[in-house]
Amino acid sequence: NAGVTQTPKFRVLKTGQSMTLLCAQDMNHEYMYWYRQDPGMGLRLIHYSVGEGTTAKGEVPDGYNVSRLKKQNFLLGLESAAPSQTSVYFCASSRLAGANEQYFGPGTRLTVT
Amino acid sequence: AQKVTQAQTEISVVEKEDVTLDCVYETRDTTYYLFWYKQPPSGELVFLIRRNSFDEQNEISGRYSWNFQKSTSSFNFTITASQVVDSAVYFCALFNGNNRLAFGKGNQVVVIP
Repeated sequence: NAGVTQTPKFRVLKTGQSMTLLCAQDMNHEYMYWYRQDPGMGLRLIHYSVGEGTTAKGEVPDGYNVSRLKKQNFLLGLESAAPSQTSVYFCASSRLAGANEQYFGPGTRLTVT
Repeated sequence: AQKVTQAQTEISVVEKEDVTLDCVYETRDTTYYLFWYKQPPSGELVFLIRRNSFDEQNEISGRYSWNFQKSTSSFNFTITASQVVDSAVYFCALFNGNNRLAFGKGNQVVVIP
């Protein structure tokens, strides 16, 4: 049981480049989430999904897009990276709604120069 | 709006001392859930506890204990006889049914051997 995995672990982008972060979970969870963590800011929700084929905006969605084509995968896309998107990105999943424990991936450290 | 405040940014203690982390929350809902997560230096967040708003019983798990007081909107976390392995960032979080988990900014705990 791998739990929640994220690829890649590290990435450096130049301003304007695009990339996709992949999150995969093998726990058959319905809910999946993307957060960003910045120094002194805690975790902030970017987008989330309540099931296959669904997505919804979180607290800080601008500049990001997501897709949940398969139940086990949740993709986070940056179409035109900006230095303000330098952050650590965490994916999480939960069996049901946020009242349930969320399981987190190991994170992706993204630097945009 | 829901909000979680963790006032102490960094706390340093000498090994075997007790440390208490304060968490104050704001919500207008009567049904909500409170969480604590641990983020060790490896980066991955680990679930510690969940408490719903109707259960004010304190909880003890080994060296960890939690004190939930609705009257003061607080859900404090105490580590007894701290160990170096307790060095981590600890997050308090609040869920009140809108599919979003609101995190505090975290407490960095440094246990000095």
